[in-house]
Amino acid sequence: QKEVEQDPGPLSVPEGAIVSLNCTYSNSAFQYFMWYRQYSRKGPELLMYTYSSGNKEDGRFTAQVDKSSKYISLFIRDSQPSDSATYLCAMDYGNKLVFGAGTILRVKS
Amino acid sequence: EAQVTQNPRYLITVTGKKLTVTCSQNMNHEYMSWYRQDPGLGLRQIYYSMNVEVTDKGDVPEGYKVSRKEKRNFPLILESPSPNQTSLYFCASKGGTDTQYFGPGTRLTVL
Repeated sequence: QKEVEQDPGPLSVPEGAIVSLNCTYSNSAFQYFMWYRQYSRKGPELLMYTYSSGNKEDGRFTAQVDKSSKYISLFIRDSQPSDSATYLCAMDYGNKLVFGAGTILRVKS
Repeated sequence: EAQVTQNPRYLITVTGKKLTVTCSQNMNHEYMSWYRQDPGLGLRQIYYSMNVEVTDKGDVPEGYKVSRKEKRNFPLILESPSPNQTSLYFCASKGGTDTQYFGPGTRLTVL
């Protein structure tokens, strides 16, 4: 079993839709939870960074962590074509990040 | 501008020909790391370094070497590349409790 599971998609939505991206994990030692966005032919860029259970909002993006269920989510409101990318969840464990496989998101105009 | 740079960005080589991918950061970060990214497998850590002259293996270190002689540089060395090392490679750095910042990637093809 992988430490981090993420639905690879692809996920295709119309412009303006609410997008929900999810990851589950098995290691309760993970302390920090991140979402990275990766455009084609680019390196991952940090989108959201959370530590505790609960919600964290930044503009159209909301990151949610449920440590009791070992489940994290990223919500994108009013999705735009420019949001089309691969979204990677990542979890900090000591000196390394453990990544999900990434979800490909396509927002159609 | 704070950044992580990698060179080359694209490389096609043949089996067994030694190569080095360079990584440099200008943020005075102590921690640096190398990842490879493969379809369906996400990013997997190859090696990391906590500071100068301190390196350790990640999840997939076989066939790779690293060195950390200076704080800003962390080259990845493939002594005898093989086709299964064809991949997209990313260098990353981190300062303190901050999260990791990634370079633009190096796409390597080994024929």
